[in-house]
Amino acid sequence: AQSVAQPEDQVNVAEGNPLTVKCTYSVSGNPYLFWYVQYPNRGLQFLLKYITGDNLVKGSYGFEAEFNKSQTSFHLKKPSALVSDSALYFCAVRENTGGFKTIFGAGTRLFVKA
Amino acid sequence: DTGVSQDPRHKITKRGQNVTFRCDPISEHNRLYWYRQTLGQGPEFLTYFQNEAQLEKSRLLSDRFSAERPKGSFSTLEIQRTEQGDSAMYLCASSLLTGVGNTIYFGEGSWLTVV
Repeated sequence: AQSVAQPEDQVNVAEGNPLTVKCTYSVSGNPYLFWYVQYPNRGLQFLLKYITGDNLVKGSYGFEAEFNKSQTSFHLKKPSALVSDSALYFCAVRENTGGFKTIFGAGTRLFVKA
Repeated sequence: DTGVSQDPRHKITKRGQNVTFRCDPISEHNRLYWYRQTLGQGPEFLTYFQNEAQLEKSRLLSDRFSAERPKGSFSTLEIQRTEQGDSAMYLCASSLLTGVGNTIYFGEGSWLTVV
């Protein structure tokens, strides 16, 4: 069975500093991995995904994520945080065996202080 | 707007009443999903349609819940005899059927409050 763990409920960072939001996953085979962001009372917005190839993927709003197969991790990063990045971030996984079910983590709240 | 559309955005209902939510997916998307999200949690999978066929239902979807996608386009999620525990945001998402690692795109969600 697939699962996703986001070990931090909240991440606090000062504006201009780099940020990392952690994610680890478990799947039977190889994964497709996704990051989404959610603002208050809104749906989830897609940020980026890993399918295959380069372990470093770049996405929207300056975010990037690094796939590490040996550590089964897919951490979200940004070199310089903005106050407007403050939101709820979800990591998600889907098996790449033709499955359709995408499983989400519990979310990490990012708070960027000015 | 060519995104996923959900209606209504907010619904307050009395316990025991029935409610129905509608989802219009992105037009060329064959796959449609319903998720439920409660405060402090990530989205939980409820059900999945491929065109008009409902291919999987989660154990979370009790017999009070029913979802349809009659013509393979829009979908409805009905909750009968609502309970306070049904209060949540119901998210609809859609994706393409063909291709590799297709992204699922979410609507803005339908908030349900059962009083």
